[in-house]
Amino acid sequence: QQQVKQSPQSLIVQKGGISIINCAYENTAFDYFPWYQQFPGKGPALLIAIRPDVSEKKEGRFTISFNKSAKQFSLHIMDSQPGDSATYFCAASWNTGKLIFGQGTTLQVKP
Amino acid sequence: DAGVIQSPRHEVTEMGQEVTLRCKPISGHDYLFWYRQTMMRGLELLIYFNNNVPIDDSGMPEDRFSAKMPNASFSTLKIQPSEPRDSAVYFCASSFSGRETQYFGPGTRLLVL
Repeated sequence: QQQVKQSPQSLIVQKGGISIINCAYENTAFDYFPWYQQFPGKGPALLIAIRPDVSEKKEGRFTISFNKSAKQFSLHIMDSQPGDSATYFCAASWNTGKLIFGQGTTLQVKP
Repeated sequence: DAGVIQSPRHEVTEMGQEVTLRCKPISGHDYLFWYRQTMMRGLELLIYFNNNVPIDDSGMPEDRFSAKMPNASFSTLKIQPSEPRDSAVYFCASSFSGRETQYFGPGTRLLVL
C-alpha cells in the first residue's frame, strides 16, 4: 500500500515530441506528489509537484496531470529536447515528510 | 548557499571494512534524509531525522548500518562491516519542515570489493 508504481521503465522520444510518464498509488493518505529529475552523476532535483486539490499543474513545458479517483498521476513533457534526457522519478508523501519514490523512468530524447 | 554537501564523493573499500559517509545539510533545514540508489532497488529511503532526532529507520537494511546526527549541520551513515552488496550510491537530502522540497546532495558512490 506504500508503493508508487511507475511506468514505463525507459522511454525514447524524438526531439519535439511529447514524453509521458505514468505513476499509480494505493495509499489515499498521500497528499503531495512531486516529480524529480536526475542527470547522470547528480542527485535528484525537484522538477514539479502537485497536491490533490487540483487536477493539473503546468510549469513551462512540464505538466502534471492528476486523477484522484483513479489514484494516478502523470508527467507530460511537451516539445521534448535532448537536454531533457535524464531519469525521472515520481514520488508521493503524506504528513510525515517521508517520500515514497517510484522506480524511475530513463528518458532519451533523440535529436 | 552551497547546497547539501556529501563526502567522500567516491569510496572504494574491501569487504569487512568500516565505511563512514558524511553529510552537511542546507543551513536552516530541519529534516535530513539518507537514501540508497541501486539499479535493482531504485531509490530507497534508509532513515530520516527531524531536528537531529531519528524519526523512521525502518529502511535501514540491517544492524550493520547506523546513522547519527549529532547537530543540525552534520550527519553520518556508517556501515560496519561492509559487504559487496552494499555497493551503491548513497544520497543525503535535506528539507525545511519536511513538507517542502527535498534537496539532494551529489551522492557518495560506494564500491565494496
